[in-house]
Amino acid sequence: DQQVKQNSPSLSVQEGRISILNCDYTNSMFDYFLWYKKYPAEGPTFLISISSIKDKNEDGRFTVFLNKSAKHLSLHIVPSQPGDSAVYFCAARGNTPLVFGKGTRLSVIA
Amino acid sequence: DAGVIQSPRHEVTEMGQEVTLRCKPISGHNSLFWYRQTMMRGLELLIYFNNNVPIDDSGMPEDRFSAKMPNASFSTLKIQPSEPRDSAVYFCASSRTGGGQPQHFGDGTRLSIL
Repeated sequence: DQQVKQNSPSLSVQEGRISILNCDYTNSMFDYFLWYKKYPAEGPTFLISISSIKDKNEDGRFTVFLNKSAKHLSLHIVPSQPGDSAVYFCAARGNTPLVFGKGTRLSVIA
Repeated sequence: DAGVIQSPRHEVTEMGQEVTLRCKPISGHNSLFWYRQTMMRGLELLIYFNNNVPIDDSGMPEDRFSAKMPNASFSTLKIQPSEPRDSAVYFCASSRTGGGQPQHFGDGTRLSIL
């Protein structure tokens, strides 16, 4: 039973445009959400997070939106850059350790 | 600051052999996590420690897997005997304890069991 789902395995975006990566969760006890970025042959790197008491958190080009009623969060990257090409993992925690989605591979095309 | 250090980076061994993966967490971090990544199942938590004590090992797939954390700066994940289906990338991560603390990952060990 997947508690954190990233339904798009891949996404291609033109350089300079907005990238939107989506994540859905099923466990209503989750209260903290994170996005990680992973390059090949490296470990995942923490990118941005959001607490369930907020609906938006912004850090430079990266913004995470949380819709608790829909159990949905999204990561917006604007403008997208070729260096953003990587696999992005959504993760969530509550009274459990982090649970990860399977990732979305983002390709930013120059 | 040094990140999480894992060794070896790659391991190729024959079925039935013992495999030991090593991890040095970030100094000052008191939680340590072992994950396995496969195409089919994504990133799965195998076991995690708080202050060197195993808290939850429900993700350990079989008795062939064991993990130890003898001190705050070292942990091992052992597979004995290894099987081809254990082939995966194994990640170690560490964090400070407390809500909202992100985990910092090592670069993983790519394990191939022939």
